[in-house]
Amino acid sequence: DAGVTQSPTHLIKTRGQQVTLRCSPKSGHDTVSWYQQALGQGPQFIFQYYEEEERQRGNFPDRFSGHQFPNYSSELNVNALLLGDSALYLCASKTGWFTYSGANVLTFGAGSRLTVL
Amino acid sequence: AQTVTQSQPEMSVQEAETVTLSCTYDTSESNYYLFWYKQPPSRQMILVIRQEAYKQQNATENRFSVNFQKAAKSFSLKISDSQLGDTAMYFCAQSAGGNKLVFGAGTILRVKS
Repeated sequence: DAGVTQSPTHLIKTRGQQVTLRCSPKSGHDTVSWYQQALGQGPQFIFQYYEEEERQRGNFPDRFSGHQFPNYSSELNVNALLLGDSALYLCASKTGWFTYSGANVLTFGAGSRLTVL
Repeated sequence: AQTVTQSQPEMSVQEAETVTLSCTYDTSESNYYLFWYKQPPSRQMILVIRQEAYKQQNATENRFSVNFQKAAKSFSLKISDSQLGDTAMYFCAQSAGGNKLVFGAGTILRVKS
């Protein structure tokens, strides 16, 4: 059973460019979240998608946008890249909207390492 | 706003010994979940253990157990019989305002042989 898969694993961009990161959730999961993890820090919540809509958003500027497709996969787009956007971007999936009870836990992918030069 | 604090940036333990990682949190919510995640050098976050706030009994998963003190807003992780494979970054996290998780800054745990 494949877990959460993310692509690409590494990428390098220059300031001002745009980037798209992709995520396929674990089989059976329909809710996708994105987190940004700067070096040496804990992950920070960017946003979450459920039923193809952004349901919750963290404290990130509008340069960060996303999309969820009918097959539950998701994309994270970042425009006008800044040096400070360099980080590990983690995708996580779960089932349903609210609860974390029972077998419903957040499963993470291995992340996409973005370097902005 | 919810916050999670891990006051130990780094910890070391000898193989087969026991170590406790500390975590405190702040929330105004009445029902929430607390988690410990492990992140090895492979980068993938792995769930270690979960606690539902309304349950008074401390969660256990094999060699991993928690000490959940709700009034003190404390949620420590105890690892018994430490193994070399336990070497990783450990994050404490809390569910906050819906689905998002709020993470602490992490504790690097090194298990020495």
